[in-house]
Amino acid sequence: AQSVTQPDIHITVSEGASLELRCNYSYGATPYLFWYVQSPGQGLQLLLKYFSGDTLVQGIKGFEAEFKRSQSSFNLRKPSVHWSDAAEYFCAVGHILTGGGNKLTFGTGTQLKVEL
Amino acid sequence: AAGVIQSPRHLIKEKRETATLKCYPIPRHDTVYWYQQGPGQDPQFLISFYEKMQSDKGSIPDRFSAQQFSDYHSELNMSSLELGDSALYFCASSLPSKRPNYGYTFGSGTRLTVV
Repeated sequence: AQSVTQPDIHITVSEGASLELRCNYSYGATPYLFWYVQSPGQGLQLLLKYFSGDTLVQGIKGFEAEFKRSQSSFNLRKPSVHWSDAAEYFCAVGHILTGGGNKLTFGTGTQLKVEL
Repeated sequence: AAGVIQSPRHLIKEKRETATLKCYPIPRHDTVYWYQQGPGQDPQFLISFYEKMQSDKGSIPDRFSAQQFSDYHSELNMSSLELGDSALYFCASSLPSKRPNYGYTFGSGTRLTVV
């Protein structure tokens, strides 16, 4: 069964500093990987996704993530964090459903706090 | 652009009552998913529908049922509510695909509080 591990429950960075959020996955086949962001009480917004091809993917809001098969990782990065980036970040792996569509398995999330 | 619409946004129910959550997918999306996110938890997959047929079932209690209608909207029915059912319930929709290359679009969620 697929699983996602986000080792860091909370991370605090200063505004303007660089950011890396870790994500490790377990999946038997080629993984389909996603990063979502969730502000308090809000829905889940897709930041970026990886299916194949270039292992460095660019997303919205200046985020990028790098897929490393050898390390089973899909870490999210941003060169310079803004105060508005404070939110919870979820890594997810997609699993194709034989009945149609696909199911996401989420990690437990990383809460990002930005210090001004 | 049209998004996934969920109603109501907030719902307060008493124990043992029944609740119905509605989801209206993005036009042309015929695959709908329901997720439950407890306080401080990650979203957990409940159930999904593709072309009005259930396509997969996750950790959904027997007290819950769901269906997708001819216009592709979906309803999650929850009976005999328990305090532990208090959570944020997300609906998502996607285009049909044998590969998840379209990704999901999530609604803003319905916050259910059971008192």
